Amino acid sequence: NAGVTQTPKFRILKIGQSMTLQCTQDMNHNYMYWYRQDPGMGLKLIYYSVGAGITDKGEVPNGYNVSRSTTEDFPLRLELAAPSQTSVYFCASSYSYNEQYFGPGTRLTVT
Amino acid sequence: GQQLNQSPQSMFIQEGEDVSMNCTSSSIFNTWLWYKQDPGEGPVLLIALYKAGELTSNGRLTAQFGITRKDSFLNISASIPSDVGIYFCASQETSGSRLTFGEGTQLTVNP
Repeated sequence: NAGVTQTPKFRILKIGQSMTLQCTQDMNHNYMYWYRQDPGMGLKLIYYSVGAGITDKGEVPNGYNVSRSTTEDFPLRLELAAPSQTSVYFCASSYSYNEQYFGPGTRLTVT
Repeated sequence: GQQLNQSPQSMFIQEGEDVSMNCTSSSIFNTWLWYKQDPGEGPVLLIALYKAGELTSNGRLTAQFGITRKDSFLNISASIPSDVGIYFCASQETSGSRLTFGEGTQLTVNP
């Protein structure tokens, strides 16, 4: 099993550009999550999904959108990138709400 | 949401020393998880605890679910340089609620 994979690993965006962060899991988990981690800080939940076709907002959803058309994939869309979105983004998945397994992260810089 | 107070925020120890860190809350939880994040990587699940009083080991790591269900601790024995990283606690109030993460303990091990 590859577990949770994320692409790209690194990205630099200009202010106002858009991009999609990809996340795929091969563990047949129903639950998937997107977190951001700012330097020296903990994890903040952006969006989550409890199954294909179902998504919900976390603590910091503004400026982001998600979709969940399959069990395996949970892409995160940034529209009109802003410097405040410079962060490391982690995708995670789990069988239920508890034991979450994380991907390696995408390091995003917006300048 | 509920807050988890993780302490200490950072620790600087010598190789070979034992380490203890804890996580507390004013709320009662039914699950405690401990994660480790290596520099530049995603968090990895170390130990999961599901019963009050439960004591679980994983190699040199030992974690306990507090008897009051409001706290948990993680001990690392005979620390080595590869123990460096950020240790996060995470907890869940009920089986249907999302995980809450602590802010992390940054561990530095001097050879």
